[in-house]
Amino acid sequence: QSVLTQPPSASGTPGQRVTISCSGSSSNIGSNFVYWYQQLPGTAPKLLIYRNDHRPSGVPDRFSGSKSGTSASLAISGLRSEDEADYYCAAWDDSLSGVVFGGGTKLTVL
Amino acid sequence: QVQLVESGGGVVQPGRSLRLSCAASGFTFSLYGMHWVRQAPGKGLEWVAVISYDGSYKYYVDSVKGRFTISRDKSKNTLYLQMNSLRAEDTAVYYCAKVSRVDTAMDGMDVWGQGTTVTVSS
Repeated sequence: QSVLTQPPSASGTPGQRVTISCSGSSSNIGSNFVYWYQQLPGTAPKLLIYRNDHRPSGVPDRFSGSKSGTSASLAISGLRSEDEADYYCAAWDDSLSGVVFGGGTKLTVL
Repeated sequence: QVQLVESGGGVVQPGRSLRLSCAASGFTFSLYGMHWVRQAPGKGLEWVAVISYDGSYKYYVDSVKGRFTISRDKSKNTLYLQMNSLRAEDTAVYYCAKVSRVDTAMDGMDVWGQGTTVTVSS
């Protein structure tokens, strides 16, 4: 059971917009930055969004992040086949004194 | 460019020890905290430990406290994870990752290594 809650799966057709949610609490998302990672099969995680809504250079602007209270969301617009991957949210947790991850969302592009 | 390269993984019997290393380059290693994160086969990401930029504070996930020790050597730009009393449930790919911010280690990670595989089995 992960501290941050994500839906286990999501799907969409090419060109669609999909949203992945991440729910936490006041000790993690409510008081710290949220990060989003993309993990393609057999590879290391890659940073997609940092500090809630910032995109590293090289990440397409089709990816966007937002945070409100103790929840966060990752939105992917103009869905492409290469977006098929596992997506994880993460945040520091003040009560646990460590980083907590969501269980991951497997995105399928139909 | 910023790069992290892990090494030291392998197959080890339960109860034995292993030390993982993570060689850092492309950034000022001594300014950033560093994490270890693991991923068991077919499972999600699990944070393991973090160390501050100067090694003055360290935090661990409960399941490894007292068995694992995170450390760093600024002269070698290298992060370590000493793993003792290994258990089958420690089997995973272990990633080192750089803390995103320079002013604290209590934050998420931005750059990840490629990972090293640890298998605990008799």
